[in-house]
Amino acid sequence: EIVLTQSPGTLSLSPGEGATLSCRASQSVGSSFLAWYQHKPGQAPRLLIYGASSRATGIPARFSGSGSGTDFTLTISRLEPEDFAVYYCQQSGSSPQTFGQGTKLEIK
Amino acid sequence: QVQLQESGPGLVKPSETLSLTCTVSGDSISSDYWSWIRQPPGKGLEWIGYIYYSGSTNYNPSLKSRVTISVDTSKNQFSLRLTSVTAADTAVYYCARDHGGWYPRIDPWGQGTLVTVSS
Repeated sequence: EIVLTQSPGTLSLSPGEGATLSCRASQSVGSSFLAWYQHKPGQAPRLLIYGASSRATGIPARFSGSGSGTDFTLTISRLEPEDFAVYYCQQSGSSPQTFGQGTKLEIK
Repeated sequence: QVQLQESGPGLVKPSETLSLTCTVSGDSISSDYWSWIRQPPGKGLEWIGYIYYSGSTNYNPSLKSRVTISVDTSKNQFSLRLTSVTAADTAVYYCARDHGGWYPRIDPWGQGTLVTVSS
């Protein structure tokens, strides 16, 4: 199965700053098959990005995704207080679908 | 908009069978794929498997011998059965819509339900 490794494990930033989250795959993943989710405690995970770079419906433009092959990035341009959460990447190009272990974005 | 709600026992004894149902509202279940995903306490997300509305399934090999996912289109529901559970199966279980096609994505997700395996 494809292993997704996210870095850093924890990112401490202040509102207004920019964030860069990395997702590295153990094998090449087609860009169409890479998604990012935001997860807050006690809530359902929320789809942010699919197809590596397409924003889901209702997702603010400060969220953007990029990358191809084995290296993908989620960028949040100016952090809002509601952006502090855990972020997961996920690949569905090879079965079984797999998720990264998550990056926790915390308030500094 | 589509909403999903998990239901089922919150406590299951070791060696018994975990059974959960997901009720879909706001759209017909007769399209797309429908997944179960879980998150053990303090850990990441694990895809369990999905079912297509026609009944075809795909399971995570790590759980395949113990998992059955079924669909009831008349009730707009799909269900999860996990046999011979142990403490390692304690997790929040999510049901979700799994869009297939060229740009697959999981959206939306249910709120999740905590299932604890304990005697």
